[in-house]
Amino acid sequence: GQQLNQSPQSMFIQEGEDVSMNCTSSSIFNTWLWYKQDPGEGPVLLIALYKAGELTSNGRLTAQFGITRKDSFLNISASIPSDVGIYFCAGQGSIGTYKYIFGTGTRLKVLA
Amino acid sequence: SAVISQKPSRDICQRGTSLTIQCQVDSQVTMMFWYRQQPGQSLTLIATANQGSEATYESGFVIDKFPISRPNLTFSTLTVSNMSPEDSSIYLCSTRQGGYGYTFGSGTRLTVV
Repeated sequence: GQQLNQSPQSMFIQEGEDVSMNCTSSSIFNTWLWYKQDPGEGPVLLIALYKAGELTSNGRLTAQFGITRKDSFLNISASIPSDVGIYFCAGQGSIGTYKYIFGTGTRLKVLA
Repeated sequence: SAVISQKPSRDICQRGTSLTIQCQVDSQVTMMFWYRQQPGQSLTLIATANQGSEATYESGFVIDKFPISRPNLTFSTLTVSNMSPEDSSIYLCSTRQGGYGYTFGSGTRLTVV
């Protein structure tokens, strides 16, 4: 079945640094979503991407839909302590389906 | 986007017992989804609940273990039956957010002892 692998699995960074993470699949996806999950909370949608090559920003966050449609990238600029959490990518493989597959997650810790 | 209230937020249960998790949405929605997030893991879809019809379960999940109710367009319940320690997870309900993606409740953290 389809799987989404996220890299890195976890990372420690200093406040103010930029962060990059990615999500890869062996299958093509038509939509990519990026979520953040804070401790004790459900995931919150950050960015949605709808076509290959698309680059979308949300404040300090920028995400890209890979040209091959098998990957996506999330960048966080000038990280702050509240960026700590788990970041999940999610992909929708078939047009018209409501189902998303979630990635393995990247756990981010920011050192003040 | 819809606001989802989920309860209980956490519970510790004895093995062999059952727990019913409630999910209330502040607007009418056609589809509601139940996810499981095992410790340190990603989210796995358990089932899709449509009002007025039987829930549709994903591979590896069965109705006897996870019965779901969907009595109206704003409410759903998930029961975790005959629990074992392996059922210790976060259970999340969600619904569609606009045309894409999901809005999630804050989750129910279940520990089975």
